[in-house]
Amino acid sequence: AQKVTQAQTEISVVEKEDVTLDCVYETRDTTYYLFWYKQPPSGELVFLIRRNSFDEQNEISGRYSWNFQKSTSSFNFTITASQVVDSAVYFCALSEGTDSWGKLQFGAGTQVVVTP
Amino acid sequence: KAGVTQTPRYLIKTRGQQVTLSCSPISGHRSVSWYQQTPGQGLQFLFEYFSETQRNKGNFPGRFSGRQFSNSRSEMNVSTLELGDSALYLCASSLVSGSYEQYFGPGTRLTVT
Repeated sequence: AQKVTQAQTEISVVEKEDVTLDCVYETRDTTYYLFWYKQPPSGELVFLIRRNSFDEQNEISGRYSWNFQKSTSSFNFTITASQVVDSAVYFCALSEGTDSWGKLQFGAGTQVVVTP
Repeated sequence: KAGVTQTPRYLIKTRGQQVTLSCSPISGHRSVSWYQQTPGQGLQFLFEYFSETQRNKGNFPGRFSGRQFSNSRSEMNVSTLELGDSALYLCASSLVSGSYEQYFGPGTRLTVT
C-alpha cells in the first residue's frame, strides 16, 4: 500500500503565482519523519526539509513554507511567488519505524512547471 | 565539502550481464542508502548500509546486492541484468543511520539492452 500520496501529478503556474503541493501520508507509528525533496531536470534530489512527528509547527524558509497537520496526516508545501527556477519534480517522503529510519518511502512526485 | 559522488554516471549493459555501481558519501557520513528510480515505479528503496552492515533492505530480488567499506564508500551490484533493471540508481548519505536527512548523489543511469 502506498504510504505517501501526492495526488497532484503536475501543476502549471505562471511566474509569481503561489503553488501548493499536497502530501498525505499513512503510518501507525507515533514517531516518524517527513521530508520534502526537489528533483530539478539535472536529476539530483535536493533536500528541502525534515520534520518529526512531534513538531507540528509550520515552517517558512524564504519563499518556501510547510504546513504539517497530524489530524489530517498531511504535510503540504507552498512555494510563494514562484520562479522559473522552481520548475522541478517535488517529492514528499516518510521515514518510520525505529529499525527503518534510513529507509525513505517516497510519494510519486508532483511536477511543477513555472512559465515566465 | 564535496557532495555524494557516484560512478559511473552512465552505463549501458546487455541482458544477463552484471554491473557494479559505486558511491562515495559526503565526508564524515557513515550511512549510505540506495534507491532505484523508474518512470513506472517511482523512487524505491533498495538497501541501507551503516558501519559496513546492511541495516535495511527493500523488496528487490536477490540479484541486487550491496556492500559498504570501512571508509563508508559503498557499492551495489546487480547480477543477471534484466530489461526492467534500466533505471536511475541514486545513492544517498547521511551522518548516521537514523532520522537524519539524506543527501543524494547525481545518480547512475543504467540502460539494459
